[in-house]
Amino acid sequence: DAGVIQSPRHEVTEMGQEVTLRCKPISGHNSLFWYRQTMMRGLELLIYFNNNVPIDDSGMPEDRFSAKMPNASFSTLKIQPSEPRDSAVYFCASSIQGTNEKLFFGSGTQLSVL
Amino acid sequence: AQSVTQLDSQVPVFEEAPVELRCNYSSSVSVYLFWYVQYPNQGLQLLLKYLSGSTLVKGINGFEAEFNKSQTSFHLRKPSVHISDTAEYFCAVSVVTGGGNKLTFGTGTQLKVEL
Repeated sequence: DAGVIQSPRHEVTEMGQEVTLRCKPISGHNSLFWYRQTMMRGLELLIYFNNNVPIDDSGMPEDRFSAKMPNASFSTLKIQPSEPRDSAVYFCASSIQGTNEKLFFGSGTQLSVL
Repeated sequence: AQSVTQLDSQVPVFEEAPVELRCNYSSSVSVYLFWYVQYPNQGLQLLLKYLSGSTLVKGINGFEAEFNKSQTSFHLRKPSVHISDTAEYFCAVSVVTGGGNKLTFGTGTQLKVEL
């Protein structure tokens, strides 16, 4: 298995632009998580899905952030409009729900908003 | 709600020396505990986990951790570190009931192994 695949690897955009981050979880995993990592706040859980359904989005910072999981093999995290303070590394992770199996992380998307 | 505290943001150590990375947690219910490692420009990887049973847990790369319920700690140890252990280490906790795999991470400890 190729693991959790995230794209793009790096994204540089200007303030006000829409940004879409993509994630393909490991086949057979039915839980998917979006995390944001910054120096100031460390690793924060933004939202997670079980069986494509959003379970907890309390970590989403504000309405500019939205996430979807239209099917078991694809998820997006969208920021519209983007702001410089959104600059961070965004990680996607997947696992098998309810078994406390380990999370498998993607390599992350380094987002820079100028 | 549960929380994780990693008091040491950076730990420098010489190669072949022992190391301990500290982790304390807070929760009103039983928890599962994890240590993850992040190498530069990579995602996190699981080092070890405590779910139940023996309080001493062994993981990959020679690391081990001990769950201490009375002290609400889960410190990570390695008797002899290698240069390749230089990385950031994250302690994490998830609740036993209803939490599924939702992990709460600590702020991380940067381990720097020097020659």
